[in-house]
Amino acid sequence: QVQLQESGPGLVKPSQTLSLTCTVSGGSTRSGSYYWSWIRQPAGKGLEWIGRIFTSGITNYNPSLKSRVTISVDTSMNQFSLKMSSVTAADTAVYYCASSYLSWDAFDIWGQGTMVTVSS
Amino acid sequence: QSALTQPRSVSGSPGQSVTISCTGTSSDVGGYNYVSWYQLHPGKAPKFMIYDVSKRPSGVPDRFSGTKFGNTASLTISGLQAEDEADYYCCSYAGSYTYVFGTGTKVTVL
Repeated sequence: QVQLQESGPGLVKPSQTLSLTCTVSGGSTRSGSYYWSWIRQPAGKGLEWIGRIFTSGITNYNPSLKSRVTISVDTSMNQFSLKMSSVTAADTAVYYCASSYLSWDAFDIWGQGTMVTVSS
Repeated sequence: QSALTQPRSVSGSPGQSVTISCTGTSSDVGGYNYVSWYQLHPGKAPKFMIYDVSKRPSGVPDRFSGTKFGNTASLTISGLQAEDEADYYCCSYAGSYTYVFGTGTKVTVL
């Protein structure tokens, strides 16, 4: 069973770049059977899909975030990553990584989430 | 892309049934059979409950069922149990390889 664990700084300054990594265990980012996604939840608000990447490197992004987001995969480390530039307080949220295997149009395994606060 | 509309809260007594609606448009819920549902307990990883409108992953009790009519999908929890108290979110494919979540519903077991 795939397990996912997010890691990265819990505090980012406004205008800087947020960088998070998701480490995959029990599965391989080399596998052509998975999509790997990032999803976030601001405090007191709903879930928001950020984007996803396939093993081949093909990416899809939320149109509202596309200009600031880059998702990449490092198959040698069995990790995938999120970079979000020019962050503001509105980007403060719990960030989750998730996999899509059973259905490429759903998110079947999630990490525990990591809280990121944007503040000076 | 606007968030799908869910009721803010629903409640029921143990053993009863509750239904959570998830309303979108013909560009998301109504246009594709790719609606999924997630259960969120505070401090825990979200749990995948339903996919492709009505399919249940292995390990999800058959008390949970999903349906869709037009632009509205629904999750029904039958035989409500205390451990079902959580937040629930729907999600739909929204075309052009993008996804949109619902506004979320808090289920309270009375």
